[in-house]
Amino acid sequence: GQQLNQSPQSMFIQEGEDVSMNCTSSSIFNTWLWYKQDPGEGPVLLIALYKAGELTSNGRLTAQFGITRKDSFLNISASIPSDVGIYFCAGPFGGFKTIFGAGTRLFVKA
Amino acid sequence: DSGVTQTPKHLITATGQRVTLRCSPRSGDLSVYWYQQSLDQGLQFLIQYYNGEERAKGNILERFSAQQFPDLHSELNLSSLELGDSALYFCASSEGDLPGTYTDTQYFGPGTRLTVL
Repeated sequence: GQQLNQSPQSMFIQEGEDVSMNCTSSSIFNTWLWYKQDPGEGPVLLIALYKAGELTSNGRLTAQFGITRKDSFLNISASIPSDVGIYFCAGPFGGFKTIFGAGTRLFVKA
Repeated sequence: DSGVTQTPKHLITATGQRVTLRCSPRSGDLSVYWYQQSLDQGLQFLIQYYNGEERAKGNILERFSAQQFPDLHSELNLSSLELGDSALYFCASSEGDLPGTYTDTQYFGPGTRLTVL
């Protein structure tokens, strides 16, 4: 079935560093969603992208909808310990379904 | 707090048993979605209901079933449980029935952790 490939699988960074992660697909998506899951919690929507080439920010987070519509990027600037968690990309596929990538696990050392 | 509630938070049971997970959507949301998250895995879409009717099905096993009641709460029934069914089960809700559209953000509950021994 359709998959979203996220990379890297995990990242270990120092507080204050910038972070970049991406999500690719073999199919075109019309919407890209980025969620964060804190330990023991459900995912929370961070940023939604609806147009190819769109660049959207939410505080220290910036996400881009790739021009090819087959990829998306999420950047976190000046990371802090509470950025720790799993970041998922997702997109609606086949009408009513939303598929999720396997996630990028972020670890931040203070 | 997303406004989506799930009970129970934890559930421990034995193989072969049947369990029911419950979800109450946010006030005003008509869609309920169920997802399974196994250890170190992403979220696998199971099924969606909109205003009481099944809308979409993902990779949901035949041993699993769900329904949405007139008050819009939903239940996910898992039967003949196997060890591999151990996972986090999330419910999400949204206003409409087209997830990912501009006005249809999915809000996730805190999940139910199912352990099958």
